[in-house]
Amino acid sequence: SQQGEEDPQALSIQEGENATMNCSYKTSINNLQWYRQNSGRGLVHLILIRSNEREKHSGRLRVTLDTSKKSSSLLITASRAADTASYFCATDARGLTGGGNKLTFGTGTQLKVEL
Amino acid sequence: DTGVSQNPRHKITKRGQNVTFRCDPISEHNRLYWYRQTLGQGPEFLTYFQNEAQLEKSRLLSDRFSAERPKGSFSTLEIQRTEQGDSAMYLCATLRGGAPYNEQFFGPGTRLTVL
Repeated sequence: SQQGEEDPQALSIQEGENATMNCSYKTSINNLQWYRQNSGRGLVHLILIRSNEREKHSGRLRVTLDTSKKSSSLLITASRAADTASYFCATDARGLTGGGNKLTFGTGTQLKVEL
Repeated sequence: DTGVSQNPRHKITKRGQNVTFRCDPISEHNRLYWYRQTLGQGPEFLTYFQNEAQLEKSRLLSDRFSAERPKGSFSTLEIQRTEQGDSAMYLCATLRGGAPYNEQFFGPGTRLTVL
């Protein structure tokens, strides 16, 4: 079953604007990851944040993690048309539930960046 | 291209037929995961291998599903007596166990359509 919920489900912005997506999860985690999926294709890893980290940056991406609220956000700054994709958060609870790094994904946010 | 390949990319079959998918991982990755993704949802974990050992299976994996990784390299996922509800994208992901980062590398997926 899906563990995470993401909002918004869909987001449409203009090129150059920032996009913020939120993710909530239910259990304790080791880390949280964000993935991008272009239409009908495989997932590409974007960024990983560990449970003892609160914020992480990678290029135009900024991720925050609040373990007390069991939530995370992904900010994409200065968006481009090429950022159009679905974005998923995924949690890794290895060692906490016995799973070997299996990921539990959220429902995803569909981002559309218009020219 | 993440280095993980899956074949075939698309499979159309009639209900009741058997199908087999193959995943070729990144060579030094000893962990291999199978996920299933239905339209509009995030991927859901099915099973994973560490080398040739299948260490965990999801409750989603009914007895019609079987997965193997005979030599700890490539893996196959077989679905027997397919049903329309099996229509989905089947994703393979690999990971180098013990690595400091738990990034999973996903293949492009096999899209199954059961008529």
